[in-house]
Amino acid sequence: SYELTQPPSVSVSPGQTASITCSGDKLGDTYVCWYQQRPGQSPVLVIYQDTKRPSGIPERFSGSNSDNTATLTISGTQAMDEADYYCQAWDSTSAIFGGGTKLTVL
Amino acid sequence: VQLVQSGGEVKKPGASVNVSCKASGYTFITYGITWVRQGPGQGLEWMGWISPYMNNTKYAQKFQGRVTMTTETATSTAYMELRSLRSDDTAVYYCAKGIEYSSSWGQGTLVTVSS
Repeated sequence: SYELTQPPSVSVSPGQTASITCSGDKLGDTYVCWYQQRPGQSPVLVIYQDTKRPSGIPERFSGSNSDNTATLTISGTQAMDEADYYCQAWDSTSAIFGGGTKLTVL
Repeated sequence: VQLVQSGGEVKKPGASVNVSCKASGYTFITYGITWVRQGPGQGLEWMGWISPYMNNTKYAQKFQGRVTMTTETATSTAYMELRSLRSDDTAVYYCAKGIEYSSSWGQGTLVTVSS
């Protein structure tokens, strides 16, 4: 079965750039979206169709997807960005989530 | 846009649970509803989707035969029934607007399976 692999954790200093990767076979051939989930809250869509930001999501969130890796980049990371991040893609007609990455802002 | 889910449930192994999701703020039939669950301390797990317009569904293979997703367009409500519950079905169950990607999520419903 298809799998999406994310690093369990990423740390970043406030104001720096955080990059969270999501790897899968030929992932660049399909759209990827990203969700942010703060503790005790429902997920929030932050990137869809690889690079698009929903209304209300800050410009510091951006996405890319090529070959076997999709990347969520947070520029000028703020304390409020500390959360779990999940990538999601499609394997034929079924959706798959990555295992999630805990972003810590130190 | 708002999705309001039913309250938490405690069920015994072997029982069934029915979680509701009432949508407002958009035209219900024009977007599918996706169901996702999250076990304690675990990641997100996709369960499937339903299209209120076409009334068709797609379930994750893992839940085939145990899950049924339905909608009631008159009340803009989606339902997810999970049968033959086991302890590892203990999780927060979410409904979300959209199929390809989900732009709005419900608040989650905790389903606890315990004898």
